[in-house]
Amino acid sequence: KAGVTQTPRYLIKTRGQQVTLSCSPISGHRSVSWYQQTPGQGLQFLFEYFSETQRNKGNFPGRFSGRQFSNSRSEMNVSTLELGDSALYLCASSLYTGLATEAFFGQGTRLTVV
Amino acid sequence: GDSVTQMEGPVTLSEEAFLTINCTYTATGYPSLFWYVQYPGEGLQLLLKATKADDKGSNKGFEATYRKETTSFHLEKGSVQVSDSAVYFCALSRRGNRDDKIIFGKGTRLHILP
Repeated sequence: KAGVTQTPRYLIKTRGQQVTLSCSPISGHRSVSWYQQTPGQGLQFLFEYFSETQRNKGNFPGRFSGRQFSNSRSEMNVSTLELGDSALYLCASSLYTGLATEAFFGQGTRLTVV
Repeated sequence: GDSVTQMEGPVTLSEEAFLTINCTYTATGYPSLFWYVQYPGEGLQLLLKATKADDKGSNKGFEATYRKETTSFHLEKGSVQVSDSAVYFCALSRRGNRDDKIIFGKGTRLHILP
């Protein structure tokens, strides 16, 4: 079956702009989580959605937001981009909320803010 | 709160050497434990997992045993290959709680020299 698909793979944006990233989970998976990966901070949890509801949220400012659609696809939005938002953004899908089962990751979207 | 600590990298070994990457955790209850691997330019892939004490996860020659008494989940491989060069993440997830999310260690970069 198809894996987790993230689009686009690469993005270059200017400070102050906003960006939307997309994630299509594995068919049948209803839980989608987002992570930010940087060399300095490692993997940091952004938020998790299950059945269109945000279930968990990490310690990120309100500029970071997300949503999930009825088909479980998820989008993540970052407004008023800052240079420090440059990172690899990873999406993961799971069969159940709580992530007690393993998460399956997409290849990520590499965002560069200039 | 829950946390995962893994050895700092990078770890550099020669091909066919024995590998150990240490991982210890702090968590209430009985978490599930995972090792994920990230190859260059890719997202994370589940390498192996263990869901209860004394379980041994294994895959592709890698092994890790869930040790509750030492709160550890060390990754081992008897003979590494150049293709094992990647970043390895230890992670935990508790089960069934609203606030559950996967908690990752900071990752250990592994370089295997031919």
